Parts: sequence; structure tokens; C-alpha cells
Amino acid sequence: DSGVTQTPKHLITATGQRVTLRCSPRSGDLSVYWYQQSLDQGLQFLIQYYNGEERAKGNILERFSAQQFPDLHSELNLSSLELGDSALYFCASSEGGSGTEAFFGQGTRLTVV
Amino acid sequence: DAKTTQPTSMDCAEGRAANLPCNHSTISGNEYVYWYRQIHSQGPQYIIHGLKNNETNEMASLIITEDRKSSTLILPHATLRDTAVYYCIVRGANNAGNMLTFGGGTRLMVKP
Repeated sequence: DSGVTQTPKHLITATGQRVTLRCSPRSGDLSVYWYQQSLDQGLQFLIQYYNGEERAKGNILERFSAQQFPDLHSELNLSSLELGDSALYFCASSEGGSGTEAFFGQGTRLTVV
Repeated sequence: DAKTTQPTSMDCAEGRAANLPCNHSTISGNEYVYWYRQIHSQGPQYIIHGLKNNETNEMASLIITEDRKSSTLILPHATLRDTAVYYCIVRGANNAGNMLTFGGGTRLMVKP
């Protein structure tokens, strides 16, 4: 158990819909990272938050957005869903520095039908 | 962040040591070498990381060359449960964040 909790574990929704994925970081961790893993692609970095502020952006679509709340949990919002958004979405957390380990949750499997 | 080069796949006999190489010839002085593994669609699992010195923990050993341009992850006694994709990542910190950038990794198959 990494200490990072993601909910829900599985999500099935229709094209055009909007969903919210939730991540609770390990206690004390200030940084949260979101990743997408599609069937035919590797782990793609989406976005990082540090203590409530956006820190870095990767290959995140404009239809996707995220935020980190004062209690440090984070949400990833995916809207106008397309079939190609079907993927595993992972959240990771770390204390913040590059010398500190990042631990991953078990992911949310999103299926868009 | 510096890019890494890893073999696409490797085999190892159960009970033997698995040595996974990684090249990171453009690594900068303040960048760490991290190793993660992913077992069949589970969340990536942290294994070990280091800056300059060799490191050892309960899972593995990390050997970093003196010039820091390459490293080797050693699983001392591989088991079938070690079958996974292993990622070598060079991670630094700059104004653009300190995310982990995953490449293709090495698919390690441990065979009985």
C-alpha cells in the first residue's frame, strides 16, 4: 500500500460526458502528479500541483483540468469525453523535492463507450 | 530532464540476480536516478533512487558509475513476482517542476 488513494477504481461513461477523478496523497506530501496511461502508450505526465498551486503542465488536453484543494487532495476533471480518453489515470504524491520519492496510487480505469 | 536508454526486454532465471542497465549520458549534476517498476497495469512502484553513491534497500541495489553516465539496477535473487516493466528515470528540479518522465522501460521476464 503506497498510501496514495484514488477513487473510483473503475469508471464507465458515455462519450460527451464529464467525470471527476479524485486523489488523496500520502500524509504530509505537498506535491501531486497526474498521469495517463493508454493501451498503446506509456505513462504520460499530465500536470503537477504543489501545495495548491499548479507547478508544471505536460500533455494535458484543454478538455482536462485539475486542482489541488487546501487539504491537499486533488481532482482531475475530464470533460467532453471521447473514446480515445479511455485509459488508466494515475496519481502520485511526494513531499516535493526531487530527492524525495514519489508514490503512485493504484489508478482509475476509465472506459468511455 | 536527461533522457535514458534501456534495453527493451530482458530475461532472467528465477533465483538468479537480475542486472538492468540504463544509460543517461546527458545527466546533470543535480539530477537523481530513479527506478520504478510496473506490474501489469498496477500503479508504478518505487524501487530505489540515488544521486552519486551506490544505494541499497530491501528491494534492490543501485550502482551508479563514477561519471554518472550510466547505472545498473540489481535485483539480487529474482522471483517470478519480479516480472514487470522497469523504468529508469532521471529526475531534476527546475522552474518547470520535478515530474517523473517515463520512457519505454525494460520488460523483465523472470523464468522458472
